[in-house]
Amino acid sequence: GENVEQHPSTLSVQEGDSAVIKCTYSDSASNYFPWYKQELGKGPQLIIDIRSNVGEKKDQRIAVTLNKTAKHFSLHITETQPEDSAVYFCAAKALSGNTGKLIFGQGTTLQVKP
Amino acid sequence: SQTIHQWPATLVQPVGSPLSLECTVEGTSNPNLYWYRQAAGRGLQLLFYSVGIGQISSEVPQNLSASRPQDRQFILSSKKLLLSDSGFYLCASRHKNTEAFFGQGTRLTVV
Repeated sequence: GENVEQHPSTLSVQEGDSAVIKCTYSDSASNYFPWYKQELGKGPQLIIDIRSNVGEKKDQRIAVTLNKTAKHFSLHITETQPEDSAVYFCAAKALSGNTGKLIFGQGTTLQVKP
Repeated sequence: SQTIHQWPATLVQPVGSPLSLECTVEGTSNPNLYWYRQAAGRGLQLLFYSVGIGQISSEVPQNLSASRPQDRQFILSSKKLLLSDSGFYLCASRHKNTEAFFGQGTRLTVV
């Protein structure tokens, strides 16, 4: 089955710096890659996603890049702010079929120091 | 967009007691529904998913079961809780090729 590896497990940056989180996936049929942000005690919320027909997608300070050949994708947060501190999860899914199973990475705890 | 309701938000149960966590979905019909467990400081482990009423698939062998009595209702149960069942349980809903929406989770502590 699909396996998603996420690194690093923890990341600490100074406010204003950039943060990069990387994920690799095993199933070459995967073609949908969302990123979720989870604040303490809450459920994860989608922050950005990318489909396999594009290599990069950007939304203000957040961008995601995808390398299908290497089977890895990354989340980039620029000009980090303290409110970016949270746990971030990547996920992968094959859009074909009806199960819609999202397989998640292990999560990255991001701390942005003021 | 979809709204996922989960309750209770927190639960403390003794070992050997039964469990019932409920999840209901608003804003969509015929969604795929999922139960995830998140152990402290760890990732999201998929426990069960359902593509329709009465259809349940289990991802990992465990002490828990799931049921879907109605289109937008998903229940996680156990007859006898174990200490290892403690964790943060998340219900999620996904309709066709849209994003997955999560509930706010239930923090279960088995004592």
